[in-house]
Amino acid sequence: AQRVTQPEKLLSVFKGAPVELKCNYSYSGSPELFWYVQYSRQRLQLLLRHISRESIKGFTADLNKGETSFHLKKPFAQEEDSAMYYCALAYSSASKIIFGSGTRLSIRP
Amino acid sequence: NAGVMQNPRHLVRRRGQEARLRCSPMKGHSHVYWYRQLPEEGLKFMVYLQKENIIDESGMPKERFSAEFPKEGPSILRIQQVVRGDSAAYFCASSPPSGAFYEQYFGPGTRLTVT
Repeated sequence: AQRVTQPEKLLSVFKGAPVELKCNYSYSGSPELFWYVQYSRQRLQLLLRHISRESIKGFTADLNKGETSFHLKKPFAQEEDSAMYYCALAYSSASKIIFGSGTRLSIRP
Repeated sequence: NAGVMQNPRHLVRRRGQEARLRCSPMKGHSHVYWYRQLPEEGLKFMVYLQKENIIDESGMPKERFSAEFPKEGPSILRIQQVVRGDSAAYFCASSPPSGAFYEQYFGPGTRLTVT
């Protein structure tokens, strides 16, 4: 069955420290993976997707098929990065997105 | 473009009543998705609709829940005879007809509380 696991409910780091939000997935086909973010009092929005291999707001994520992981990383955290982050898996055959349970990232000054 | 609109933002219903949640997609978007988020959990897919058609309702509970997206007007998620377990945040998202389905724009959600 398709599943997305985010093992950390809360991650708290100091400003300027590196950040890594973990995400593991379970999917038998070729996955399309994404990170969504929800800032305080804002709507859920797409942050980045693995196929574009882009860096958004300093964040990157590499798909590791061997480890079935798609961890989100940023070398130096900023206070404005504090938000809820959701890892998600999409499979186009069903036009469906499966979300992880989310990780709340808190950046301490 | 005001973005995806959902109303009401908060809805309180007593057990046994009906709940109607509305979603107006972004202008030009013809695909609508409904998700439910229980406390401490991620968003769970419920249903995917296009105008006048239900494309995928595999995430909808078999009873009491229904959804529609008429030719005119908003998409409606209807929950009949609500129970306490229906208390959750319900999110709607829309995407354009020509875009990738994962490029969904989310509404602010409706928080349903069943007393």
